[in-house]
Amino acid sequence: QSVLTQPPSVSAAPGQRVTISCSGSSSNIGNNFVSWYKQLPGTAPKLLIYDNNKRPSGIPDRFSGSKSGTSATLGITGLQAGDEADYYCGTWDTSLSAGVFGGGTKLTVL
Amino acid sequence: EVQLVESGGGLVNSGGSLRLSCAASGFSFNTYWMHWVRQAPGKGLVWVSRINTDGSTTTYADAVKGRFTISRDDGKNTVYLQMNSLRAEDTAVYYCARVLGGGTCYAYWGQGTLVTVSS
Repeated sequence: QSVLTQPPSVSAAPGQRVTISCSGSSSNIGNNFVSWYKQLPGTAPKLLIYDNNKRPSGIPDRFSGSKSGTSATLGITGLQAGDEADYYCGTWDTSLSAGVFGGGTKLTVL
Repeated sequence: EVQLVESGGGLVNSGGSLRLSCAASGFSFNTYWMHWVRQAPGKGLVWVSRINTDGSTTTYADAVKGRFTISRDDGKNTVYLQMNSLRAEDTAVYYCARVLGGGTCYAYWGQGTLVTVSS
């Protein structure tokens, strides 16, 4: 059971927009920055969003992040086949004094 | 170019030990906190441990506390994870990761090393 809650799966057609939610509590999302990662099968995760809504160099602006209270959201617009992957949210939990991740969301591009 | 290369994984019996290494290059190693994250087969990411820049502060997930030890050798640009009293549930790919700056966002990841604990 992950500390952060994500939907197990989402799907949308190419070109469409999809959002992935990440729910936590005041000890994690509520008081710490959230980051998002994309993971293709058999490969290491890749940073997509950090500090709630910032994109590292090289990440297209089709990817966006937001945070409100104890929840965060990853948005992906103009869906492409290459976006099909597992997506994870992560942050620090101050009460646990530990890093925490969501259980992951599998994105299917129909 | 930032590179992280893990090694040391393998098959070990329950109760055994392994030491993982993560060799870093392409950045000033001694100025970054380093973390270990693991992923059991078919499962999600789980944070394991972190170490500060001079090795004086270490933190562990409850699941590994007292059994795993993180350390670093800045002369070798390497972070280690000593894993003792291994259990079947420790079976996973272990990734080392470098934070982006001062936070806990993992900007760079190694390719991972597989640890399999046989019961």
